[in-house]
Amino acid sequence: EVQLVESGGTLVQPGGSLRLSCAASGFTFSSYAMHWVRQAPGKGLEYVSGISSDGGSTFYANSVKGRFTISRDNSKNTLYLQMGSLGAEDMAVYYCARTYYYDSGTSPFDYWGQGTLVTVSS
Amino acid sequence: SYELTQPPSVSVSPGQTASIPCSGDKLGDKYAFWYQQKPGQSPVLVIYQDSKRPSGIPERFSGSNSGNTATLTISGTQAMDEADYYCQAWDTNSYVFGTGTKVTVL
Repeated sequence: EVQLVESGGTLVQPGGSLRLSCAASGFTFSSYAMHWVRQAPGKGLEYVSGISSDGGSTFYANSVKGRFTISRDNSKNTLYLQMGSLGAEDMAVYYCARTYYYDSGTSPFDYWGQGTLVTVSS
Repeated sequence: SYELTQPPSVSVSPGQTASIPCSGDKLGDKYAFWYQQKPGQSPVLVIYQDSKRPSGIPERFSGSNSGNTATLTISGTQAMDEADYYCQAWDTNSYVFGTGTKVTVL
């Protein structure tokens, strides 16, 4: 059974940093591109960042470019999102999700984690 | 940047058909994907590559995509189909989600 389990979400002060993790199981992690998608309270889905299966290619939405870093450890079947300079606009549930292909319009987000909540407040 | 627009809400009576449009420039030239999200839950893929259903998704869910509009259709809508629905496509090296539609089964 495919499982994606996010962790690391917590309350952080404005301007602070945080690292999210997504532990994968039930599939060959190193064969899939991985992504982070967020959802602010009461709002829609927003694509945040993606990384190719080997970690060699990454993509960031303009809203997080220069502040967030995506990475993966295929030996640990884990995806990460290092978040910095956090602001109120970053407060959201962060989901990890997989696609088979990295930069293709043919692959859906076929499995999603349960999400982890990041709260930005003083 | 590319945008996908959906109506904020759609209402349907039980057993009737709900149609949810998703509009974007030349969307028909791309693949459209649809996700269902119930309150407090993660999104679930219900349609991929315009009209294909993943394993486990009921046949009452179908999709089409042509011109500037992709459409998710729920035939014989059931109370359990009440949820938010998001379309999604890929454009110029980025994934884009629609604005979302809340389907209410009255």
